[in-house]
Amino acid sequence: EAGVAQSPRYKIIEKRQSVAFWCNPISGHATLYWYQQILGQGPKLLIQFQNNGVVDDSQLPKDRFSAERLKGVDSTLKIQPAKLEDSAVYLCASSFREGNYGYTFGSGTRLTVV
Amino acid sequence: QKEVEQNSGPLSVPEGAIASLNCTYSDRGSQSFFWYRQYSGKSPELIMSIYSNGDKEDGRFTAQLNKASQYVSLLIRDSQPSDSATYLCAVNIYGQNFVFGPGTRLSVLP
Repeated sequence: EAGVAQSPRYKIIEKRQSVAFWCNPISGHATLYWYQQILGQGPKLLIQFQNNGVVDDSQLPKDRFSAERLKGVDSTLKIQPAKLEDSAVYLCASSFREGNYGYTFGSGTRLTVV
Repeated sequence: QKEVEQNSGPLSVPEGAIASLNCTYSDRGSQSFFWYRQYSGKSPELIMSIYSNGDKEDGRFTAQLNKASQYVSLLIRDSQPSDSATYLCAVNIYGQNFVFGPGTRLSVLP
């Protein structure tokens, strides 16, 4: 099966600019996650979708981050305006259903804010 | 606040030795436990999952879980240079999300 697709792979922006990342999960996977991984740290969950509904966005900095999954398939994560501390790898993951299941990560988008 | 702790390393072992990676977690309600391997510049890759106390073996990998002591470990037998990576421990409570540890960097020396 095809894996989780993400784009772009790399992005460099200046602080206060906006940026968007795209994710297409594995076909049939209802649950989609966006994680932020800062260099040297483990991934931190930003938001979880179940189909097109938000299950958990408690760690999403809502003053600058937004995410949507309009048709329950692909998803977009946006940052506006970006700060230097947003420099990280943004990982998308999906799983067949919610629960105690390991999930598959995409290749990630490496964001550098200068 | 659920926490997952790991030694950051680096843990260095000679080729052919057993590498032992440890992880402790704070939430006694945790129900499932995972080990991910992450090569430099790559995304995490699931290598083991364990749900009940005891050992689970898969090839050269053995996951060990002790819920009473709140720790989970990963043993890698006959370590190879290709095993050099960061190993992430992830813990899940059913219906909630995974919490990842900071990862342990493993270096297998030829």
